[in-house]
Amino acid sequence: NAGVMQNPRHLVRRRGQEARLRCSPMKGHSHVYWYRQLPEEGLKFMVYLQKENIIDESGMPKERFSAEFPKEGPSILRIQQVVRGDSAAYFCASSPGTSKFFGPGTRLTVL
Amino acid sequence: AQTVTQSQPEMSVQEAETVTLSCTYDTSESDYYLFWYKQPPSRQMILVIRQEAYKQQNATENRFSVNFQKAAKSFSLKISDSQLGDAAMYFCAYRRGGSEKLVFGKGTKLTVNP
Repeated sequence: NAGVMQNPRHLVRRRGQEARLRCSPMKGHSHVYWYRQLPEEGLKFMVYLQKENIIDESGMPKERFSAEFPKEGPSILRIQQVVRGDSAAYFCASSPGTSKFFGPGTRLTVL
Repeated sequence: AQTVTQSQPEMSVQEAETVTLSCTYDTSESDYYLFWYKQPPSRQMILVIRQEAYKQQNATENRFSVNFQKAAKSFSLKISDSQLGDAAMYFCAYRRGGSEKLVFGKGTKLTVNP
């Protein structure tokens, strides 16, 4: 059973470009979570999705950020018009219940 | 709002020795879960151990055990017989029952000296 998969592992964007981060949950998991980790910080919750539904987006910035988890395919975290402050590691997790299993993260660098 | 505090930014331990990492949390809830995650240099977040608040018995996973003091809102991690592969950032996390959000502390960097 493959773990949570994220790609790309590293992403470099210039200010103003769009960043798309993908997450494939573990087989059988229908809950996906996105977290952001700034340097020297713990992870901060962004959004919780189930298939085709956003359940909780209370941690997501209201502008430029969006997330989806379509019926088919991976979950996508999209950041439009990236700024330097968006540089961080973005982790996806999936869950069948209580425990969450994290992917390896995508490190976004905004030049 | 719930908060998780890890007061030790860095810790070190000799190989084969025991080390304890501290974590305190603040909540008014009675139903919650606590976790320790390990983040090695690869940055992969790995679940080490979890504790349900309603369970009085401390959780144990091989060389890893916790000291859960509910009244004191303390949840420390003990690593016995430390190995070089234990070197990593360790994050304490809290989740309220019925919620899906994990609240993380800022982490403790553990160094294991040969």
